[in-house]
Amino acid sequence: GENVEQHPSTLSVQEGDSAVIKCTYSDSASNYFPWYKQELGKRPQLIIDIRSNVGEKKDQRIAVTLNKTAKHFSLHITETQPEDSAVYFCAAILHSSYKLIFGSGTRLLVRP
Amino acid sequence: NAGVTQTPKFQVLKTGQSMTLQCAQDMNHEYMSWYRQDPGMGLRLIHYSVGAGITDQGEVPNGYNVSRSTTEDFPLRLLSAAPSQTSVYFCASRTGKGNTIYFGEGSWLTVV
Repeated sequence: GENVEQHPSTLSVQEGDSAVIKCTYSDSASNYFPWYKQELGKRPQLIIDIRSNVGEKKDQRIAVTLNKTAKHFSLHITETQPEDSAVYFCAAILHSSYKLIFGSGTRLLVRP
Repeated sequence: NAGVTQTPKFQVLKTGQSMTLQCAQDMNHEYMSWYRQDPGMGLRLIHYSVGAGITDQGEVPNGYNVSRSTTEDFPLRLLSAAPSQTSVYFCASRTGKGNTIYFGEGSWLTVV
């Protein structure tokens, strides 16, 4: 069925190190891939997104890469800071149905 | 613009009771969706709508009804609440297939 898989489920890094979260999707016609950050008790906040006609997008310390052939996309956070600690979700819009489906989330902990 | 407004923010129900979670957006967005988020989990799509008068099921539709009589409103009805429906519910809206998704602040529902 339609799904988005996300790994790892938890990630602990030292402050200043890089963090990478990976997602795969099942619908090859998906064309929009957003990433969200969610802090405890808050709504998800969009941090970066990428469309299927682009291979990479960067915004300061955050970047997203997309491999359409392999049907996977990744979030890269460089120079991590304690305030980056949160749960991160990937998502994909399934072209065939216009549904936005989320991955299961990655709990990122940045150790000072 | 108020964005996406959800009410109530908190609700406690007894098993078997019914209730409606309200969602309204003032951005003239075509697409609206309801998600539930269980503790430590990702967001799962309950129902969605691509326009007034059109609704469809998501990943976990059982026990919920929706309607979309206007572009602005997308209420979610729990017909006979069960403890398994204890969760945080997020309403979301967007325009087009690849645009930014706007989330409401969430509704915390406990069924006892």
